[in-house]
Amino acid sequence: NAGVTQTPKFQVLKTGQSMTLQCAQDMNHEYMSWYRQDPGMGLRLIHYSVGAGITDQGEVPNGYNVSRSTTEDFPLRLLSAAPSQTSVYFCASSYGAGGDTGELFFGEGSRLTVL
Amino acid sequence: AQSVSQHNHHVILSEAASLELGCNYSYGGTVNLFWYVQYPGQHLQLLLKYFSGDPLVKGIKGFEAEFIKSKFSFNLRKPSVQWSDTAEYFCAVSRATNAGKSTFGDGTTLTVKP
Repeated sequence: NAGVTQTPKFQVLKTGQSMTLQCAQDMNHEYMSWYRQDPGMGLRLIHYSVGAGITDQGEVPNGYNVSRSTTEDFPLRLLSAAPSQTSVYFCASSYGAGGDTGELFFGEGSRLTVL
Repeated sequence: AQSVSQHNHHVILSEAASLELGCNYSYGGTVNLFWYVQYPGQHLQLLLKYFSGDPLVKGIKGFEAEFIKSKFSFNLRKPSVQWSDTAEYFCAVSRATNAGKSTFGDGTTLTVKP
């Protein structure tokens, strides 16, 4: 019963470095998404995917890139890290279309600090 | 685009007190509504959800919420809180036509004093 798995849990980067946050789910969910959580700002949607090969931007997509080559995996790439990207990142998945209520299943989060 | 407003940023209660957390959303179409909870050091998990039917929904750990369509509200309630309810609570809404894409409120931090 792994659910949604994120790695790494903690990461420190220097400004300008790039990295990838990994996310995998084993529930055969069609829908996957990335959120960032900042104090007092709730969760904001970065990118999401409604199925393999399909991605779209959320509320705060700048500086991030995603791809969805398989149903299971949805990595989030930071192309050139900036201090404003210091945050806690959550990957989430959902069953997808066809009567789905949209309940999200979350990973444990990845805490990223950019110096 | 839809938005979600949570009225209280930080609530402090004593054990056994009653709890009500306000949540309003802005979207005129059919919505799915959620409350998630994040205990200290843990990831978010679903407390309860509404997508159709009885507007009074019950969730885990004695929580309930009432959907009032005319007021665009989905307030969370619990008759008697416990110290273990200390957590951050998030209200979220998604459109029925794009169920997985949820918009979250800013969250309410609940501190329950023993």
